[in-house]
Order: sequence, then structure tokens, then C-alpha cells
Amino acid sequence: GENVEQHPSTLSVQEGDSAVIKCTYSDSASNYFPWYKQELGKGPQLIIDIRSNVGEKKDQRIAVTLNKTAKHFSLHITETQPEDSAVYFCAAKVLYNNNDMRFGAGTRLTVKP
Amino acid sequence: DTEVTQTPKHLVMGMTNKKSLKCEQHMGHRAMYWYKQKAKKPPELMFVYSYEKLSINESVPSRFSPECPNSSLLNLHLHALQPEDSALYLCASSQGRGRGFSNQPQHFGDGTRLSIL
Repeated sequence: GENVEQHPSTLSVQEGDSAVIKCTYSDSASNYFPWYKQELGKGPQLIIDIRSNVGEKKDQRIAVTLNKTAKHFSLHITETQPEDSAVYFCAAKVLYNNNDMRFGAGTRLTVKP
Repeated sequence: DTEVTQTPKHLVMGMTNKKSLKCEQHMGHRAMYWYKQKAKKPPELMFVYSYEKLSINESVPSRFSPECPNSSLLNLHLHALQPEDSALYLCASSQGRGRGFSNQPQHFGDGTRLSIL
């Protein structure tokens, strides 16, 4: 089955700096890669996603890149703000396994003011 | 505020109790999910309903019993739970339309935090 690895597990940056979180996946059939932000006491919130026919997608300060050959994808947050502090999860969708979506282990991002 | 509503937000129950978790969405989504999330871990898939039919059951113990009364509602019935079942239980939904729905985003509720005494 699909295996998603995510790193780093924790990341601390100064406000205004950039943050990068990286994930790798094992199943070349995966074609959908969402990123979720989870704040304390809340459920995961979809912040951006990318499909396998696209190499990069950007939404304001957030961007995601996908390298299908290397089977890795990354989340980039620019001009970080304290409210970006949260746990971020990447995920990969296994196309032929109906609705099964595998998550990475998560990255705790802390943005220091 | 999320568009997937879960009740109750918190639940404390004994091992012999029977309780139910509820989830509701009004986005017209036809796929609904239950996940279990332990502290500092990612969500783990438990059940998937597609068009009100159970399509995936990830080898979950029978003390967890899902139910999908209609396309907007999803329940999780709990009976004779163990202390290790204490966790955050998340509900999610996605469009679930046709073969392309495998790459549609899942929208999560804020979960029910369950504690088993």
C-alpha cells in the first residue's frame, strides 16, 4: 500500500521567513496530493492541493510543488506569520483504492514573532 | 467554522456505555468518512461511505458500528469501548461523484474528543 513520509517533524522559523515541508510517497499510481493544517482543538483544514498533471500550484503565500519522477512533493510558506503556527499534514491519494488517503506523520510548525 | 458539523465536541464514557457520535454536512457530498486520530499522530481511516453504502472498513473492531441514514448524516455507534479507544474522532466528506471522485478534496469537521474511563 501507499506509504507517505514527511519531514521535518518539527520546524521553527522567525516571523517573515519561509518554511518548507517535504513529503515522499511510494505508490506511483497516486494522483492527488492535499496539504492540511491542523490547529489545536480543530480538525484538519485543507489549505492547498495538487494533482499529478500539474507541477506547481500557488495560492498567495502558499505553494506546493510536485516531482512525479522522484515521487516527492513540498509545501512552501513564504512571509510566515505567527498564525501559521500549527501541525501540517501532507497526504497522497491512491487512485485505485477507492477513497483511501494516506497521511504523512505531520510537521509541527512554530513561527516566532 | 467548518461545513462538516460533529456532535458532541467532547464525550466521556465508561467501558460499558453505549453512545453515538454524529456528523452532518449540507454540501451535497456523497462520500463520508470516519477517522481516528491519536495525540501527535495523523488521522487514520476507519470507514468510508459512498452513496450511503459502506465501501471501506479498515479492519475496525466491531465495538465501532457506523451508520449512514442519508446522504447528509453519518453516525458512529460505540459500545464496550476500551481505554485505548480514547482519541479524537474526525468526520470528513467529499463530492464522491463518479470515477473522478478519487481526487476530490476531503473536508473535515472539528471532531469529537472521546475519553474512555
